[in-house]
Amino acid sequence: AQSVTQLDSHVSVSEGTPVLLRCNYSSSYSPSLFWYVQHPNKGLQLLLKYTSAATLVKGINGFEAEFKKSETSFHLTKPSAHMSDAAEYFCVVSKPGGGADGLTFGKGTHLIIQP
Amino acid sequence: DTGVSQDPRHKITKRGQNVTFRCDPISEHNRLYWYRQTLGQGPEFLTYFQNEAQLEKSRLLSDRFSAERPKGSFSTLEIQRTEQGDSAMYLCASRQRGTDTQYFGPGTRLTVL
Repeated sequence: AQSVTQLDSHVSVSEGTPVLLRCNYSSSYSPSLFWYVQHPNKGLQLLLKYTSAATLVKGINGFEAEFKKSETSFHLTKPSAHMSDAAEYFCVVSKPGGGADGLTFGKGTHLIIQP
Repeated sequence: DTGVSQDPRHKITKRGQNVTFRCDPISEHNRLYWYRQTLGQGPEFLTYFQNEAQLEKSRLLSDRFSAERPKGSFSTLEIQRTEQGDSAMYLCASRQRGTDTQYFGPGTRLTVL
């Protein structure tokens, strides 16, 4: 079985300051991990993914995440927030190779950017 | 546009009516997934197809729900005798064999009155 816990339901930062969205996972095997972003009334967009290669993963729009097996964490960061980053962010775990039961999503973190 | 498309984008129906949604995956993707997302929650897996075969169904998929992918291309999700609890966003995603990444469509938002 696999599960994901996003530690914050809401995160608020000022424009230009760093962003940290926290995610812990549980998996009985070496998982694939993803971060997806969902803007209002839009579909889910893949930000980045970890699939057992480099532990520091760079994604689109300046986001990156670090896989830490010892801490079972996959936190998402960005050095400087932009107003357009305001959205819902989902941490996702999958069995390697995609898995037969699809992806398991966290409950999401709502990122608010203050001007 | 080569992304995943879904139709309709919005559907309002009365309780007890049947509804059908369509998903067109990215053309070379052989796997197709359906998810349901309720307000304030992450998407939950419903079912998936490999080509035309339905290989996995979640316990969330009650007997009132049926999904098909008759020719291994587009898929339909039908809900019979809709209930207010069915109100949600229904998301479709597709994936190419040998890769990990699922690409999502914009979703169909269902409102049951």
